[in-house]
Amino acid sequence: RKEVEQDPGPFNVPEGATVAFNCTYSNSASQSFFWYRQDCRKEPKLLMSVYSSGNEDGRFTAQLNRASQYISLLIRDSKLSDSATYLCVVSSSGNTPLVFGKGTRLSVIA
Amino acid sequence: NAGVTQTPKFRVLKTGQSMTLLCAQDMNHEYMYWYRQDPGMGLRLIHYSVGEGTTAKGEVPDGYNVSRLKKQNFLLGLESAAPSQTSVYFCASTPRGAFGYTFGSGTRLTVV
Repeated sequence: RKEVEQDPGPFNVPEGATVAFNCTYSNSASQSFFWYRQDCRKEPKLLMSVYSSGNEDGRFTAQLNRASQYISLLIRDSKLSDSATYLCVVSSSGNTPLVFGKGTRLSVIA
Repeated sequence: NAGVTQTPKFRVLKTGQSMTLLCAQDMNHEYMYWYRQDPGMGLRLIHYSVGEGTTAKGEVPDGYNVSRLKKQNFLLGLESAAPSQTSVYFCASTPRGAFGYTFGSGTRLTVV
């Protein structure tokens, strides 16, 4: 079983839509969780960390369910500029390299 | 600040040739990583380093060697390139105990 699993998509949504991405992880010892964004032919960039209590950054909301080993990312009021691949990322400790999911591709359509 | 710089950006190799990819960071970061990214496979860790003079294997280390002789540089070597090593290679760095990886812009390598 892959350590981090995501629905590959693509998700094609109209501008203004709300879209949710889900991710599951297999290592119950995982302690740190992130969402990264990767534009086509570019490097990944940190979008946001995911905290146990859930956290929000503008139109983006991240949630963590440790019992189900499940992470989510909600994007409200989608913009054309949100089109990218979203990577779910997990680490078991501060000294352990990050493990990346394969990513979910989002296309926001005008 | 330049951040993380990878050279070269593009390269075409013939099977059996060797080459070295250079990653340089100017942020005084302790940890450095080499990942490869293939279509449908996501980012996979090749090797990493938690400090000058130390290296460790990642998920897919076979066919690669690394060195971290200076804190700011992390070199990835291919001794005898194979078509299966055609990929996009990303280097990343992070301060000790932190998680915000800074990635380089990648090296697109094709082995023919």
